[in-house]
Amino acid sequence: QSALTQPASVSGSPGQSITISCTGTSSDVGGYNYVSWYQQHPGKAPKLMIYDVSNRPSGVSNRFSGSKSGNTASLTISGLQAEDEADYYCSSYTTSSTRVFGGGTKLTVL
Amino acid sequence: EVQLVQSGAEVKKPGESLRISCKGSGYSFTSHWISWVRQMPGKGLEWMGRIDPSDSYTNYSPSFQGHVTMSADKSISTAYLQWSSLKASDTAMYYCARGGGDSMDVWGQGTTVTVSS
Repeated sequence: QSALTQPASVSGSPGQSITISCTGTSSDVGGYNYVSWYQQHPGKAPKLMIYDVSNRPSGVSNRFSGSKSGNTASLTISGLQAEDEADYYCSSYTTSSTRVFGGGTKLTVL
Repeated sequence: EVQLVQSGAEVKKPGESLRISCKGSGYSFTSHWISWVRQMPGKGLEWMGRIDPSDSYTNYSPSFQGHVTMSADKSISTAYLQWSSLKASDTAMYYCARGGGDSMDVWGQGTTVTVSS
């Protein structure tokens, strides 16, 4: 079961928008609307930012949004802020009734 | 407040056994799966598997099947992850999280496991 594919790093300036992609297969991302995104700051536990492709948990800023097209899901962060600098991971349910994570993307706010 | 509280850091020798715990509070423990996630030093998140605390049904990632055992005691709202014979490569941070097939919405603080001779 291979990890989902994410870019190793992305960067943007404060106020800009960035998008992180997450590519899988028809056996995971493309087959289910159970893609979620997690934010992890150094030394901290991950935090759920998006669930079921495009839903935000209570308390998560509306600057975070998610979408999916085919086998690729995306996380968009608009109006970048310094506090958004972190690692981001996507995750999907799979046909094996398991979950799989992406390799993670380091977001740098310039 | 919904929370998962994990047991403290462990330092073990290769070949030793270990069980770490994850105690849920603030919600119905038997209504949500508990997943376990590994993060090796400087690396990404890896989903290890999940357990349904209501009946202890488990579902392991192929990468971890046979290497670890997940269990739960619903009477004390606690899930466990255990190893019978640790290896140096088991050195990592281990997180428990509420949820399994769907998203993982509440996370424990993590338990550091160090295996060294």
